[in-house]
Amino acid sequence: LAKTTQPISMDSYEGQEVNITCSHNNIATNDYITWYQQFPSQGPRFIIQGYKTKVTNEVASLFIPADRKSSTLSLPRVSLSDTAVYYCLVGAPWGNQGGKLIFGQGTELSVKP
Amino acid sequence: AAGVIQSPRHLIKEKRETATLKCYPIPRHDTVYWYQQGPGQDPQFLISFYEKMQSDKGSIPDRFSAQQFSDYHSELNMSSLELGDSALYFCATGGIGELFFGEGSRLTVL
Repeated sequence: LAKTTQPISMDSYEGQEVNITCSHNNIATNDYITWYQQFPSQGPRFIIQGYKTKVTNEVASLFIPADRKSSTLSLPRVSLSDTAVYYCLVGAPWGNQGGKLIFGQGTELSVKP
Repeated sequence: AAGVIQSPRHLIKEKRETATLKCYPIPRHDTVYWYQQGPGQDPQFLISFYEKMQSDKGSIPDRFSAQQFSDYHSELNMSSLELGDSALYFCATGGIGELFFGEGSRLTVL
């Protein structure tokens, strides 16, 4: 199982770009990288998923280098409502390949005015 | 759009009692994951199912059991409850890579 390591906390100000990096040195060939956002007492919510290179959607970008041993979630122009805990998960969450999807220690992002 | 439904949302039990949590997946999702999240902690993987068969087990106590039924809903049964079982329990369902989480069931053991 690929273990993930992220910074415990980050601070930012409204309007700034925030980059959160996750290390996953023993990622397997079949593994995808998925980022989730969690607000207190709520279920985690999907942000973005990728396998390699760069993925972008309406809320974030995900950068994955060629060796796939790390990934960086980029949140453009954060707002106060982006204050949350962010988790990267590494695995293959497809039915019979799913098995375990382990949450590591997430990154608590605090956005200030 | 239909989401993952968990019930009950809140549950209060005494020590040594039994509790059952239910998870109703999004239609056509065949995979269920259960997580336990204590106060200020990260979600801990308990158990997962694919097509009604157990896929994998994590840090699930022997006092807990779970199953996925023919209609794909899942139940987590917890017996001999302990104070330390007080937590938010999430289930997540998926079918093509993205997991959708329910809002959780908050269990308080007194």
